Amino acid sequence: QKEVEQDPGPLSVPEGAIVSLNCTYSNSAFQYFMWYRQYSRKGPELLMYTYSSGNKEDGRFTAQVDKSSKYISLFIRDSQPSDSATYLCAMNLNNAGNMLTFGGGTRLMVKP
Amino acid sequence: DGGITQSPKYLFRKEGQNVTLSCEQNLNHDAMYWYRQDPGQGLRLIYYSQIVNDFQKGDIAEGYSVSREKKESFPLTVTSAQKNPTAFYLCASSAWTVANYGYTFGSGTRLTVV
Repeated sequence: QKEVEQDPGPLSVPEGAIVSLNCTYSNSAFQYFMWYRQYSRKGPELLMYTYSSGNKEDGRFTAQVDKSSKYISLFIRDSQPSDSATYLCAMNLNNAGNMLTFGGGTRLMVKP
Repeated sequence: DGGITQSPKYLFRKEGQNVTLSCEQNLNHDAMYWYRQDPGQGLRLIYYSQIVNDFQKGDIAEGYSVSREKKESFPLTVTSAQKNPTAFYLCASSAWTVANYGYTFGSGTRLTVV
């Protein structure tokens, strides 16, 4: 079993839909959680990060962490065709330079 | 502008040939990383370095080599021992406080065996 699991998709939604992307993990020691967006043939870019449990909002994006369930989510409101990309979750143990552990990524397609 | 630069964008390798992928950053980051990404798959760590003149093997280091002679540079050599090198290669860097800033990725090099 992988340390971080993510449904590979593809997830296809109509423009304007609310999108929910999720990751589950097995190591309860993870404390920092991130979401990266990767457009085709490009490097991933950091979209959001959160520490421990709770929600964080940034425009149309909301990141949610439930440490008791070992489950993190990224919600995209009013999805746009420009949101079509692969979304990777990542997490690490502490802020002392430890390695990030990545999920396999979910491919999202937002259709006009 | 600060960032991380990978070159070339596309690279073609003949059978039995070694090739070197360049990665340069001007972010003053201590740590640098090389990942391999195959179609529809996640990132697999090849090598990483947290300080100049030191580096560690990742999950799939066989057939690859690296050096870290300067803080700004972390080149990756794909040797002839790597039997299936066709993939998308990503270089990343991070400050020591990884959680606050995450990784900064380059734009990748697509390597194809011809």
